[in-house]
Amino acid sequence: AQSVTQLGSHVSVSEGALVLLRCNYSSSVPPYLFWYVQYPNQGLQLLLKYTSAATLVKGINGFEAEFKKSETSFHLTKPSAHMSDAAEYFCAVSFSGGYNKLIFGAGTRLAVHP
Amino acid sequence: DAGVIQSPRHEVTEMGQEVTLRCKPISGHDYLFWYRQTMMRGLELLIYFNNNVPIDDSGMPEDRFSAKMPNASFSTLKIQPSEPRDSAVYFCASSLALTRSYEQYFGPGTRLTVT
Repeated sequence: AQSVTQLGSHVSVSEGALVLLRCNYSSSVPPYLFWYVQYPNQGLQLLLKYTSAATLVKGINGFEAEFKKSETSFHLTKPSAHMSDAAEYFCAVSFSGGYNKLIFGAGTRLAVHP
Repeated sequence: DAGVIQSPRHEVTEMGQEVTLRCKPISGHDYLFWYRQTMMRGLELLIYFNNNVPIDDSGMPEDRFSAKMPNASFSTLKIQPSEPRDSAVYFCASSLALTRSYEQYFGPGTRLTVT
């Protein structure tokens, strides 16, 4: 069965610092992987996705993630944090049974302080 | 495209009342998902439909919850009777199987408060 583990429910960084949000997955088949962002009082918005093409995926707002099969990881990074990046971030993996179903991680809340 | 539309955005009701949440998926999408989000339990998948047919409702918490999709452009999630523990944000999402990308598009959510 698929699962997603996000290490760290809360991450705090200084403005301008590197952002690193960790995601590890398990899947019996080649997965599709996603990062979604949720700003306060809003729905989830797709940040980026890996669908078996390039292993380094670039998304919106300067975020990127690297698919590492050997480590079963899909960590999200951004070189320099902005105050506007404060939000909750969800990693998700495709369900091997199809049906366009996604398995979501528990989420990581990112705080950015001046 | 207007995106996924949910109504109402906020709902406050008293315990025991019936609550109906509505969702309009993105036109042409053939999958529709209902999620619930709480601080305690995070994001939970309640039920999903493919071509208006329920595929998996194992996430529906109990018989008080029901969902329907009478046509490709409309779905409802009903709670009857509602209880305070149903207070949460309910999201609807849709996706298109043809793309084979699994990408889901989320609505803005309905914040439900049961007093």
